[in-house]
Amino acid sequence: KAGVTQTPRYLIKTRGQQVTLSCSPISGHRSVSWYQQTPGQGLQFLFEYFSETQRNKGNFPGRFSGRQFSNSRSEMNVSTLELGDSALYLCASSQEVGNYGYTFGSGTRLTVV
Amino acid sequence: EDKVVQSPLSLVVHEGDTVTLNCSYEVTNFRSLLWYKQEKKAPTFLFMLTSSGIEKKSGRLSSILDKKELSSILNITATQTGDSAIYLCAVEGTSGTYKYIFGTGTRLKVLA
Repeated sequence: KAGVTQTPRYLIKTRGQQVTLSCSPISGHRSVSWYQQTPGQGLQFLFEYFSETQRNKGNFPGRFSGRQFSNSRSEMNVSTLELGDSALYLCASSQEVGNYGYTFGSGTRLTVV
Repeated sequence: EDKVVQSPLSLVVHEGDTVTLNCSYEVTNFRSLLWYKQEKKAPTFLFMLTSSGIEKKSGRLSSILDKKELSSILNITATQTGDSAIYLCAVEGTSGTYKYIFGTGTRLKVLA
């Protein structure tokens, strides 16, 4: 079956712009989580969605937001981009909230210049 | 504050060596611990551990959880160059502000 699909793969934006990243989970997976990965900080949890509702949220500023659609696809939006937002953004899906582990997508590499 | 610490940060070994990677954690109401291998972008799932003392094994890789010591180890025997990757440990708790908290990973390089 198809894995977790993230688009776009790469993105270059300038400071102050906004960006939207997309994630399509594995068919049947209703939970989608987003992580930011940087060399110094590792994977930092952004938020988790389940059945179109945000279930958990990490310690990121309000510029980072997300949503989930009825087909479980999720989008993440970052407004007023800063240089420090340059990172690999990973999306992960799982069957449901609970103890089932993740399947990760290949990520979107965002560079802010 | 909940946290996951992995050691060593990086490791260079030769093919055929055995390595042991460590993960220790402090989380509220532990639920599970996961190991992932990240070669380029997408971390790939290795093991999920929930019960103390029960070894999970897959080929040359094995892992065990020690809830008393709040830690887990990942062993790789007879290492190969294809084992070169970042190995990530993640722990699920119930603090309410995260799904899984990840360590910063151990970067393993296996030389031919």
